[in-house]
Amino acid sequence: AQTVTQSQPEMSVQEAETVTLSCTYDTSENNYYLFWYKQPPSRQMILVIRQEAYKQQNATENRFSVNFQKAAKSFSLKISDSQLGDTAMYFCAFKSGSARQLTFGSGTQLTVLP
Amino acid sequence: DAGITQSPRHKVTETGTPVTLRCHQTENHRYMYWYRQDPGHGLRLIHYSYGVKDTDKGEVSDGYSVSRSKTEDFLLTLESATSSQTSVYFCAISRANFGTGETYGYTFGSGTRLTVV
Repeated sequence: AQTVTQSQPEMSVQEAETVTLSCTYDTSENNYYLFWYKQPPSRQMILVIRQEAYKQQNATENRFSVNFQKAAKSFSLKISDSQLGDTAMYFCAFKSGSARQLTFGSGTQLTVLP
Repeated sequence: DAGITQSPRHKVTETGTPVTLRCHQTENHRYMYWYRQDPGHGLRLIHYSYGVKDTDKGEVSDGYSVSRSKTEDFLLTLESATSSQTSVYFCAISRANFGTGETYGYTFGSGTRLTVV
């Protein structure tokens, strides 16, 4: 079974600074997808970024980028120029090519300080 | 957006009573899911459906049942609610291209906060 580990339950960062959230996963498959979801206090789950395992290039979406290290099974999220609106719970998620569902990590609560 | 709605948004119920949560989608997606969210556990899969009347269990399915009689509706039932089922419940639909095998993640409903007293 696949597992996803987020080892930082809580983090904080000053506004305008950069923060990195870590995620590791365990799988024996070669074809898979990785995701970061954001959950602000509104409770809505929002897709932040997606990475396909067969792509070497790290995905980026505006201020959000990932560091995908396939051999190390690591998938960290970097948020640049942090904004107060980035305060949220962030979930890392994994889906293998053969699975029908996503597996989520336990989440990291990020607080951006003014 | 996918047009996925959950109802109710909040519910308080008593131990031992049956409870049904509803998920409705408007875009004819094949796969639908029910997750529960609890502090320290992230989101855990309860049940999912891959078509009308086709469902399967997830990792925390005990005490829950589901039904899907129409493509657009996926119901989650707690037959006899317990305090351990106090949680936030999310429905989701899978965005995937079944022709290419590409997956684009989920679109989620807004969640139901269920409190069992």
